[in-house]
Amino acid sequence: AQSVAQPEDQVNVAEGNPLTVKCTYSVSGNPYLFWYVQYPNRGLQFLLKYITGDNLVKGSYGFEAEFNKSQTSFHLKKPSALVSDSALYFCAVRSGNTPLVFGKGTRLSVIA
Amino acid sequence: SAVISQKPSRDICQRGTSLTIQCQVDSQVTMMFWYRQQPGQSLTLIATANQGSEATYESGFVIDKFPISRPNLTFSTLTVSNMSPEDSSIYLCSVLPQRLESDTQYFGPGTRLTVL
Repeated sequence: AQSVAQPEDQVNVAEGNPLTVKCTYSVSGNPYLFWYVQYPNRGLQFLLKYITGDNLVKGSYGFEAEFNKSQTSFHLKKPSALVSDSALYFCAVRSGNTPLVFGKGTRLSVIA
Repeated sequence: SAVISQKPSRDICQRGTSLTIQCQVDSQVTMMFWYRQQPGQSLTLIATANQGSEATYESGFVIDKFPISRPNLTFSTLTVSNMSPEDSSIYLCSVLPQRLESDTQYFGPGTRLTVL
């Protein structure tokens, strides 16, 4: 069975500061890991994914994520947060040809 | 990528009635899914819509309550039947363009359903 844990319901960060949104996963095979963002009254937008290769993945809007196999983690990061980054962030995992399984989501609030 | 549209974008319905949600993709895709996002919650997979055959439902979801159609590779419908206030949620259509583990799954804008 696949599962994703996002331990923080809410992350608050000041504008201009670095941000981290945490994600850990559990799968029986090779993991394919994804981050999505959901703005109010909008669908999910794809940010980035880890498939294989370099553990540091770069995505949209300046976001990046680091895959750590030993810690089974895939934390989302951004060097300098913007107020417009405030949204709901979802980590998701897939192993094999199955639909994505999502974490519960983390609400990011960037304060000016 | 795939561009997905859903109709309606939102609706307010009376209990006991049914609502059909449409999902249209701008290109042929291998797999289509329906998710539910209850208020303040994460996404839960309802079913995989299979072209030309019955949908594959996840535990806790049944065909009588959530009938699904997929007549071709670009279109699917989800019906929420005999609605109750507990069905108030956002319903999201999602697609996987190719049957590859590494492929990105894309989401429609969602249908926000309120049941009174």
